[in-house]
Amino acid sequence: AQSVTQPDIHITVSEGASLELRCNYSYGATPYLFWYVQSPGQGLQLLLKYFSGDTLVQGIKGFEAEFKRSQSSFNLRKPSVHWSDAAEYFCAVGAGSGGGADGLTFGKGTHLIIQP
Amino acid sequence: GAGVSQSPSNKVTEKGKDVELRCDPISGHTALYWYRQSLGQGLEFLIYFQGNSAPDKSGLPSDRFSAERTGGSVSTLTIQRTQQEDSAVYLCASSLNAGQIQETQYFGPGTRLLVL
Repeated sequence: AQSVTQPDIHITVSEGASLELRCNYSYGATPYLFWYVQSPGQGLQLLLKYFSGDTLVQGIKGFEAEFKRSQSSFNLRKPSVHWSDAAEYFCAVGAGSGGGADGLTFGKGTHLIIQP
Repeated sequence: GAGVSQSPSNKVTEKGKDVELRCDPISGHTALYWYRQSLGQGLEFLIYFQGNSAPDKSGLPSDRFSAERTGGSVSTLTIQRTQQEDSAVYLCASSLNAGQIQETQYFGPGTRLLVL
């Protein structure tokens, strides 16, 4: 079974500083990887996803993530954060072989705090 | 167009009562997912519908949980004899094509269930 680890429960970053949120996955085959964001009172919104091709994936709101098979990682980055980026970030993995029947397996989330 | 909608947005019930949660997916989306988000367990996958059928119900937490989808559209998640540990936010998501885990899942705002 697949699993996802987000080692950082909370991260505090100054506005304008760069950001990296860590995600490690466990899955036997090529994973389908996702980053979602959940703002207070809002639903989950997809930031970006990877399932093949270029290992550096661009997403919405200026986010990018890099798939590193050797490290089983899919870290999320942003060069300069804005106060509106304060939210909960979830990394998720999907099992391609299941065709959707297993849903997505989510990490526990990283709470991002932006300080002025 | 309209996104995924869920009703009710909040539900407070007494232990032992039955509750029914509703999900209206995006029109034309054939895949529908239910997840549960709780403080202790994070985001857990519950069940997936491919059209009207759910190929695997093993993700449901107990036999008190059931789900159905009719007409390839609206889905209901029913919890019988609710327990306090059922308190959580129940999220529904839909994607365009069933059997394609790499497809973007669009999430609804959730139903916040509190069992007293």
